[in-house]
Amino acid sequence: RKEVEQDPGPFNVPEGATVAFNCTYSNSASQSFFWYRQDCRKEPKLLMSVYSSGNEDGRFTAQLNRASQYISLLIRDSKLSDSATYLCVVKNFNKFYFGSGTKLNVKP
Amino acid sequence: GAGVSQSPRYKVTKRGQDVALRCDPISGHVSLYWYRQALGQGPEFLTYFNYEAQQDKSGLPNDRFSAERPEGSISTLTIQRTEQRDSAMYRCASSFQQGVYTEAFFGQGTRLTVV
Repeated sequence: RKEVEQDPGPFNVPEGATVAFNCTYSNSASQSFFWYRQDCRKEPKLLMSVYSSGNEDGRFTAQLNRASQYISLLIRDSKLSDSATYLCVVKNFNKFYFGSGTKLNVKP
Repeated sequence: GAGVSQSPRYKVTKRGQDVALRCDPISGHVSLYWYRQALGQGPEFLTYFNYEAQQDKSGLPNDRFSAERPEGSISTLTIQRTEQRDSAMYRCASSFQQGVYTEAFFGQGTRLTVV
């Protein structure tokens, strides 16, 4: 069983739409959680950390549900520049485990 | 430089040759990671170091793969007797410390093609 599972998508949405991604993780002892963004042919870059109480950064909101072992990312008012692959990341004992990524295409 | 630097950016090698991939982490970063990423997949863990000590090498696919970080800074991932299935993007990342909420910063990767 993979450590982190994500729906690969793609999610095709119009500009201005709200879109949500979920991912699940298998290890209940996982310590910390992140969303990374990866543009085509580029390296992954941190989008935001995910805290237990949930957190928001502008148009992006991340939630963590430890009981159900899932993490979500909500993007409001999608922009063309949000088109990318979003990687769900779980950290256990100083090792980062990545999901396979969810591809988002925002269209005009 | 300010970021994680990997070299070479592209490497084409013949099957059976050995290759060495280099990673220069962000200055002062304690932890250094090696990942392999196939097209359409997320990065897959290979190994990581804290300072010069290799903490975990459970992700290395077989004994043809090895890594070192002798002075706790630059790291080399070596693949011996390369095979076509070794073709992938190899990514290095570094992290400032071992803290729970400390994120990893990635380099641009080395695209390895074994022909």
